[in-house]
Amino acid sequence: GAVVSQHPSRVICKSGTSVKIECRSLDFQATTMFWYRQFPKQSLMLMATSNEGSKATYEQGVEKDKFLINHASLTLSTLTVTSAHPEDSSFYICSASKGKQETQYFGPGTRLLVL
Amino acid sequence: DQQVKQNSPSLSVQEGRISILNCDYTNSMFDYFLWYKKYPAEGPTFLISISSIKDKNEDGRFTVFLNKSAKHLSLHIVPSQPGDSAVYFCAASSSYNTDKLIFGTGTRLQVFP
Repeated sequence: GAVVSQHPSRVICKSGTSVKIECRSLDFQATTMFWYRQFPKQSLMLMATSNEGSKATYEQGVEKDKFLINHASLTLSTLTVTSAHPEDSSFYICSASKGKQETQYFGPGTRLLVL
Repeated sequence: DQQVKQNSPSLSVQEGRISILNCDYTNSMFDYFLWYKKYPAEGPTFLISISSIKDKNEDGRFTVFLNKSAKHLSLHIVPSQPGDSAVYFCAASSSYNTDKLIFGTGTRLQVFP
């Protein structure tokens, strides 16, 4: 099956610092990668969609300057939370697909805690 | 505004019996529905899907039923096994944006011996 990894699995940082989360497709080329956020007892919410080599498409209400997404290759996408604040503390999870309308394969997620 | 709702946060079923997980949606534009299964410390994995042109899709022990008029779908697992214990997410998408999945909040299924 298709495997997607995320790194780190857990990160604690101070308010005001930036945090980078990596999402990798290990055994397939991911044309499209997605970034989701999940707050406690809430559903996974799509933040942005990124296609390799082009700018990410952000969902309404998601600040593109705060959540920087880079999809530089067909196997790697990164999400950088800039100037993190305690309200950014959440579970961030990525998914990858081989193309449009293809099944999304999810990573294990990254738990971010901003102090 | 929660467009996909899973009103039961948890469900407990005896091994061998049927598990029924429910999901309701509000957006009539949704025409494709998926169920994902999630174990602790792992990402959700795709389980089964159904298109709005069907009302039933079956894959082994898993069957998904869709009632478009009621905007309701359900996942049946029979017979339930302890390894089915996980969190199950319902998700929906529409043909104008097939890649955008709208998730429910999940139902934690516990199958006991």
